[in-house]
Amino acid sequence: SAVISQKPSRDICQRGTSLTIQCQVDSQVTMMFWYRQQPGQSLTLIATANQGSEATYESGFVIDKFPISRPNLTFSTLTVSNMSPEDSSIYLCSVVAGTGELFFGEGSRLTVL
Amino acid sequence: LAKTTQPISMDSYEGQEVNITCSHNNIATNDYITWYQQFPSQGPRFIIQGYKTKVTNEVASLFIPADRKSSTLSLPRVSLSDTAVYYCLVGEPYNAGNMLTFGGGTRLMVKP
Repeated sequence: SAVISQKPSRDICQRGTSLTIQCQVDSQVTMMFWYRQQPGQSLTLIATANQGSEATYESGFVIDKFPISRPNLTFSTLTVSNMSPEDSSIYLCSVVAGTGELFFGEGSRLTVL
Repeated sequence: LAKTTQPISMDSYEGQEVNITCSHNNIATNDYITWYQQFPSQGPRFIIQGYKTKVTNEVASLFIPADRKSSTLSLPRVSLSDTAVYYCLVGEPYNAGNMLTFGGGTRLMVKP
């Protein structure tokens, strides 16, 4: 199993600003994943963060808007840049176990005014 | 990747058995089926995973027919605390980047 901590748990942000979300895992993992969950919707994968290489982004997500860092095997950050109200969502960090089971953090709920 | 289809929502009453079916017509030979549960303000949580026939754990059972084009998550005697969204995912569990796509999920409401 894996325990994932995310910070902040929630925040209210002004339009045009940027916010960085931190994800800490209690064990070393090769791949970390960032998801977005808009209100009342399912989860959408933003990107895969591998340590030592650039993140791989899914269709519809770009590095300029969602830069990701992965400095070591237990930590990653996701920045939501130049925010607009449409970016109001829950952002979730996830890792995968050898069995394919995904473990998630509690999420970071962002509200953009 | 195999696409999944689930009912958008279901209602049940406490004490009843709930069966949620997921369709995955394009499932590949190496794909497994995994179910997650998500409560409000929490990340999804693993419930059960299977490849074929039947899998049972302390929380649920998973029924997979021979053609594997669908699967049914069975929750015995639900309680109010089982009210959540349930997601079915299909992919290769040992290929880390292969089982990451969430479908729409089924919103289960358990009533007293």
